[in-house]
Amino acid sequence: GAVVSQHPSRVICKSGTSVKIECRSLDFQATTMFWYRQFPKQSLMLMATSNEGSKATYEQGVEKDKFLINHASLTLSTLTVTSAHPEDSSFYICSARGIWRGGSSSTDTQYFGPGTRLTVL
Amino acid sequence: RKEVEQDPGPFNVPEGATVAFNCTYSNSASQSFFWYRQDCRKEPKLLMSVYSSGNEDGRFTAQLNRASQYISLLIRDSKLSDSATYLCVVTGGTGGFKTIFGAGTRLFVKA
Repeated sequence: GAVVSQHPSRVICKSGTSVKIECRSLDFQATTMFWYRQFPKQSLMLMATSNEGSKATYEQGVEKDKFLINHASLTLSTLTVTSAHPEDSSFYICSARGIWRGGSSSTDTQYFGPGTRLTVL
Repeated sequence: RKEVEQDPGPFNVPEGATVAFNCTYSNSASQSFFWYRQDCRKEPKLLMSVYSSGNEDGRFTAQLNRASQYISLLIRDSKLSDSATYLCVVTGGTGGFKTIFGAGTRLFVKA
């Protein structure tokens, strides 16, 4: 299946710093990328949806000035958590949707990155 | 009401048991349905898609009832390795492509 990578896998930072997380689709062009956040023992919560070359669409309650999303190309999206605070500590997962052509089949589905665990001290 | 609701769990079953997960969704315009599996501290992985005609993959069977807005997943002959959280996922609906995750049901399979 298609592969989505995320970097870094784990980050620990001080309160007030900014953290950038990269999400790449490695073998397909992602028409849309999604950013999710998951707190312990809770469900994945969609933060924002982004299409290449356009502004991201944020879900209600997600501050667009705090969580900056840049979708510069069909294979790369970045999430920057600005002025991070301890309550931003969470597991951030990106996913990419696009057409992946493997062998004799093609599929339009959503593939998840491995996630980034952010801890803000 | 949540857009996607699942059995709260956890389910504790012995090896070899059959276990069924249920899920309901509120948006009748939803288009696609999936079951994902998530292991502890890992990203979700697609287990199977769900179709109105039913979908079977080995020990796993998924069913969709659009009239009742209900999705199910049946696991037969449970293995220890089936222990994970199972997420019901619904996409589409009014307003364009949007993926909604259920809260997940935790499964523990014990020897």
